[in-house]
Amino acid sequence: KQEVTQIPAALSVPEGENLVLNCSFTDSAIYNLQWFRQDPGKGLTSLLLIQSSQREQTSGRLNASLDKSSGRSTLYIAASQPGDSATYLCAAAGPGNQFYFGTGTSLTVIP
Amino acid sequence: EAGVTQFPSHSVIEKGQTVTLRCDPISGHDNLYWYRRVMGKEIKFLLHFVKESKQDESGMPNNRFLAERTGGTYSTLKVQPAELEDSGVYFCASSQFVGGGYGYTFGSGTRLTVV
Repeated sequence: KQEVTQIPAALSVPEGENLVLNCSFTDSAIYNLQWFRQDPGKGLTSLLLIQSSQREQTSGRLNASLDKSSGRSTLYIAASQPGDSATYLCAAAGPGNQFYFGTGTSLTVIP
Repeated sequence: EAGVTQFPSHSVIEKGQTVTLRCDPISGHDNLYWYRRVMGKEIKFLLHFVKESKQDESGMPNNRFLAERTGGTYSTLKVQPAELEDSGVYFCASSQFVGGGYGYTFGSGTRLTVV
């Protein structure tokens, strides 16, 4: 059974700092890995999707990498802003196309 | 394009009552998924519909939960009778295709509180 772990559980950084969020998964047989953002009381917003054959994806200030062999993904956020404050979730899609989620990293960017 | 719509957004019911949650997927999306997050835990898969058929319902916790998708459009998730441990946020998601290149679009969720 796939298990997804996210470290750290919470992170607080000053505005403008670059940061990395980590995600690890136990079963490398994934179809894709997706990073989501969740704001308090809101749903999940998809940020980046990396297919199993890809190594990274970029969108604006966000860059996500995937290393299937080591069971790791990272989300890099450049020049953080207060509006980036949210919970970030990674989810690995298995052969049944269901997603296995981590518990998330709660990010606070201090102005 | 309208997103995935869920309602109600919040529901507070007493233990033993029945609650029905509804999800309207993105038009044309054959795949519909239900997930839930209970307090302090990760979001967990409940079931997957392909059109009106249940493709995978391995995540349904017990027989108090009944999901339907009549006509392959919207879906309902009924909890009867509700228990305290059913409290959490129930998410619905849809996708047009399954496979490596396709992710999901999630709804905003229904926050269920059983008192």
